[in-house]
Amino acid sequence: AQKITQTQPGMFVQEKEAVTLDCTYDTSDPSYGLFWYKQPSSGEMIFLIYQGSYDQQNATEGRYSLNFQKARKSANLVISASQLGDSAMYFCAMREAMDSNYQLIWGAGTKLIIKP
Amino acid sequence: KAGVTQTPRYLIKTRGQQVTLSCSPISGHRSVSWYQQTPGQGLQFLFEYFSETQRNKGNFPGRFSGRQFSNSRSEMNVSTLELGDSALYLCASRKGGGTDTQYFGPGTRLTVL
Repeated sequence: AQKITQTQPGMFVQEKEAVTLDCTYDTSDPSYGLFWYKQPSSGEMIFLIYQGSYDQQNATEGRYSLNFQKARKSANLVISASQLGDSAMYFCAMREAMDSNYQLIWGAGTKLIIKP
Repeated sequence: KAGVTQTPRYLIKTRGQQVTLSCSPISGHRSVSWYQQTPGQGLQFLFEYFSETQRNKGNFPGRFSGRQFSNSRSEMNVSTLELGDSALYLCASRKGGGTDTQYFGPGTRLTVL
């Protein structure tokens, strides 16, 4: 079974609009971490935001926020006031604490295109 | 603080050759991981090195190997290249704690002809 599911292969969004990128995960480990990365066409994977399973509040980093719904096992990324430079692939990833080795499990990604 | 650097950025090789990719982590980071990214398979974990020891290995054939030096710099080697090895190879570093975040380099794009 897929451990990380990103159901939106691609999205078009008008500049300055907010956008939500979906991510659902599957784990039986009570302790885990969720990450979002951005990959522009240049290839570099850029860390955006992190949410720990025991964090009481949703993570925020500038224009990025994570809508963490633990019971639904979802960790959607919200980008406010989108910009042309936000056009990129976005990946959701998870690390399970039961895994003594540090290994991220990745979703397939969502290609976001911001329209001017 | 300088980010993760990878060299070379682009590489073209032919089948049967071998290749060595290099990664310099962020200063103070002791862990280096390698990933292969292809359109068909997505991101796949290759291995992680911590303090010169391989801690974890993904499901790749023995043609893929790596090492880490005392300054935390890491190299990845692929021998007897196959067409299917064409990919973006990403290196990531982290400090080494349990709740670390990995920071990635720009990647090396390998094309095997």
